[in-house]
Amino acid sequence: DQQVKQNSPSLSVQEGRISILNCDYTNSMFDYFLWYKKYPAEGPTFLISISSIKDKNEDGRFTVFLNKSAKHLSLHIVPSQPGDSAVYFCAASLLGANNLFFGTGTRLTVIP
Amino acid sequence: DAGVIQSPRHEVTEMGQEVTLRCKPISGHDYLFWYRQTMMRGLELLIYFNNNVPIDDSGMPEDRFSAKMPNASFSTLKIQPSEPRDSAVYFCASSFDLLAGSVDTQYFGPGTRLTVL
Repeated sequence: DQQVKQNSPSLSVQEGRISILNCDYTNSMFDYFLWYKKYPAEGPTFLISISSIKDKNEDGRFTVFLNKSAKHLSLHIVPSQPGDSAVYFCAASLLGANNLFFGTGTRLTVIP
Repeated sequence: DAGVIQSPRHEVTEMGQEVTLRCKPISGHDYLFWYRQTMMRGLELLIYFNNNVPIDDSGMPEDRFSAKMPNASFSTLKIQPSEPRDSAVYFCASSFDLLAGSVDTQYFGPGTRLTVL
């Protein structure tokens, strides 16, 4: 059963606008969340993470928001750039564990 | 460091054949993970090792799949016999062993695209 879900398989955004990618999870024991970015023919690369003790983490144009009560997190990219076009995976882990549970991914297309 | 190295990058085989995928993790990393990517299920964890010892293989789909890590710099994922439904991209990833309660970033290889005809 999928414990981490990304319900939007794709998203298109105009360059310069905000991209919002969403992720939901079912396991309330998850305590660490990550976003990975994947270009075609390459492996996923780490983008940004957030601990469950925070509700926001920012790194340049990328911000991740965590709503524990709703079991929801989102990745905001602003402003969006054509080079951001990729598949974005949401992932979560349990306290003390090193394995990650990944979502199915959202393909972001930033239109110039 | 060259990053995580996987071979082959592409593999096309016929149903019933044995397939062996290879991975060289980043030097010094203590954890090695094997994932399978499909459209329906995204990135699924198949098995992971800590210091060459398998820790959790609950994601291995069935007995046709096996994985080994004979030393810190090499791991294999074997499928025997292969079936068309095994067609997917298989990723290997590695990470450091941080302090308890911490999760280190996993570094992924470029993947092996497997097609079973």
